[in-house]
Amino acid sequence: EDKVVQSPLSLVVHEGDTVTLNCSYEVTNFRSLLWYKQEKKAPTFLFMLTSSGIEKKSGRLSSILDKKELFSILNITATQTGDSAVYLCAVEAGAGANNLFFGTGTRLTVIP
Amino acid sequence: ETGVTQTPRHLVMGMTNKKSLKCEQHLGHNAMYWYKQSAKKPLELMFVYNFKEQTENNSVPSRFSPECPNSSHLFLHLHTLQPEDSALYLCASSHGLAAISTDTQYFGPGTRLTVL
Repeated sequence: EDKVVQSPLSLVVHEGDTVTLNCSYEVTNFRSLLWYKQEKKAPTFLFMLTSSGIEKKSGRLSSILDKKELFSILNITATQTGDSAVYLCAVEAGAGANNLFFGTGTRLTVIP
Repeated sequence: ETGVTQTPRHLVMGMTNKKSLKCEQHLGHNAMYWYKQSAKKPLELMFVYNFKEQTENNSVPSRFSPECPNSSHLFLHLHTLQPEDSALYLCASSHGLAAISTDTQYFGPGTRLTVL
């Protein structure tokens, strides 16, 4: 059974801290891994990763994939209160053309 | 009105009722999606339509019936639901010209469904 596991489930940090969110997966026919930020209701896309060891960066956020160990991390440096959200990891995999498997998310709370 | 809209925003229904959720996109996209987000569970992709054709049905029970009459509208018809079907149902759309992972999806605000 395809599985995506995120850790920690929740995290509380102070502004300015650096956080690392984890996503591990066990899937067949892996194609890509995606990170989303979900603040109120709908997720917004952050990164898509397909190759191992190549860091994707956008401002204070960065992410990297390890296809050998089957995990990805999402780093956020110098956190701000606006970073408070649920961060979702999803893996595109399986036999179907449009198969996305989501983790349960990590709820990040950044306090002033 | 622009973007992806969903109606109703909130819905309470009994187990014997029949209701429909509506999604409309004004972005000129060709692909539309239904997701289910339950409390304490991962977001689940339910159905994918590309150019009005259903391309994915992730083992969704038959009490959920999608309909895509054209590229701008997507419905989710509900009948004889169970309390565990209570969730936030999100609709999304994308250009539909690429694989799901490379095709940026634009989400609607969701319909909060409660089944009594």
